[in-house]
Amino acid sequence: GQQVQQSPASLVLQEGENAELQCNFSTSLNSMQWFYQRPGGSLVSLFYNPSGTKQSGRLTSTTVIKERRSSLHISSSQTTDSGTYLCAMAHYGGSGNKLIFGTGTLLSVKP
Amino acid sequence: GGIITQTPKFLIGQEGQKLTLKCQQNFNHDTMYWYRQDSGKGLRLIYYSITENDLQKGDLSEGYDASREKKSSFSLTVTSAQKNEMAVFLCASSPGQGFQAPLFGEGTRLSVL
Repeated sequence: GQQVQQSPASLVLQEGENAELQCNFSTSLNSMQWFYQRPGGSLVSLFYNPSGTKQSGRLTSTTVIKERRSSLHISSSQTTDSGTYLCAMAHYGGSGNKLIFGTGTLLSVKP
Repeated sequence: GGIITQTPKFLIGQEGQKLTLKCQQNFNHDTMYWYRQDSGKGLRLIYYSITENDLQKGDLSEGYDASREKKSSFSLTVTSAQKNEMAVFLCASSPGQGFQAPLFGEGTRLSVL
């Protein structure tokens, strides 16, 4: 089954509202990562967050490895935050490092 | 600065056709990846390579071939395009030591008529 579950699948906000995106993992992991994908564009890394809380501007990522979950909080959303947010869990191994992605959350922020 | 270049940006194929996608990186990264992105399904790993001439299968390798002829390039071949198939293929690369976030190219958008 799907090893990485993301919720919600889509979210519509009014500008200024906050958002909480969730990621749950079905297996143990080495680390996890959050990416942003602008519409029709490539992926940009937001956070590499193996555990604990990290903040960058209006974005905060919290990972609790023992509970196999991670969240991304967006405060005071802006229209430019619109796009797809993807979490991925990382596997380190002798045959290289792999990322296993969730299905993403499509965020739309209305003016 | 470095860059990952995927060619072509758009690819239109016919059912049953063999199609090749190319990826070049100038970061001198050891590991390169090919992912497929379908609407509502996130990214799925097709193939990856940890060094020149190495190939490792991902979860979605059936129906694809890959080739890592040199460190800077990684190509992906769709062996037989499926009718009405539409997907984005994303190439990425990362250093071989430790774990660092892979860097992604802009993608190749495939449509099969």
